Amino acid sequence: KQEVTQIPAALSVPEGENLVLNCSFTDSAIYNLQWFRQDPGKGLTSLLLIQSSQREQTSGRLNASLDKSSGRSTLYIAASQPGDSATYLCAVELYKLSFGAGTTVTVRA
Amino acid sequence: SQTIHQWPATLVQPVGSPLSLECTVEGTSNPNLYWYRQAAGRGLQLLFYSVGIGQISSEVPQNLSASRPQDRQFILSSKKLLLSDSGFYLCAWDSHSSGANVLTFGAGSRLTVL
Repeated sequence: KQEVTQIPAALSVPEGENLVLNCSFTDSAIYNLQWFRQDPGKGLTSLLLIQSSQREQTSGRLNASLDKSSGRSTLYIAASQPGDSATYLCAVELYKLSFGAGTTVTVRA
Repeated sequence: SQTIHQWPATLVQPVGSPLSLECTVEGTSNPNLYWYRQAAGRGLQLLFYSVGIGQISSEVPQNLSASRPQDRQFILSSKKLLLSDSGFYLCAWDSHSSGANVLTFGAGSRLTVL
């Protein structure tokens, strides 16, 4: 059974600092890995999808890396802003998506 | 463009009462449809998924059921709610096309069972 772990569970940083969010998974046989953002009481919004053959994906200030052999992915958010405050979840897909519990980020102005 | 609607957004129900949460998708045909439940501090748990009308797969035995009466409609139901059914329920869809599919979520339904 695939298990996805996100550490830390919560993170608070001052505005302008770079964010590093970690995701690890136990079974490296995956099709892809996705990072999602969830605002309080809302649904999830997809941020980045990395296919199993890729090493990284970038979108604006966001960069996600994937090391399938070691079962790790990292989401980098450059020059954080208060609007980046949210919960970030990673999910790995084989035949279905398995989600981590998320990292709740607070960016202090 | 594709959109997904989920309602009601918030629901407070007594134990033993029935439940019906609805989800509809616009702008696509023959989507894969999913119901997830999210508990505080935990990852999303897949409850049901459907690859077509009348085709429902259940991931976790429980007090809930799902139906897909139309191509773009997915309903989550219960005949008698339990306290443990409280949670945040999310509907989602993706396409049948090959390759990596981005899962698109609805806004969620917050269910409180008292």
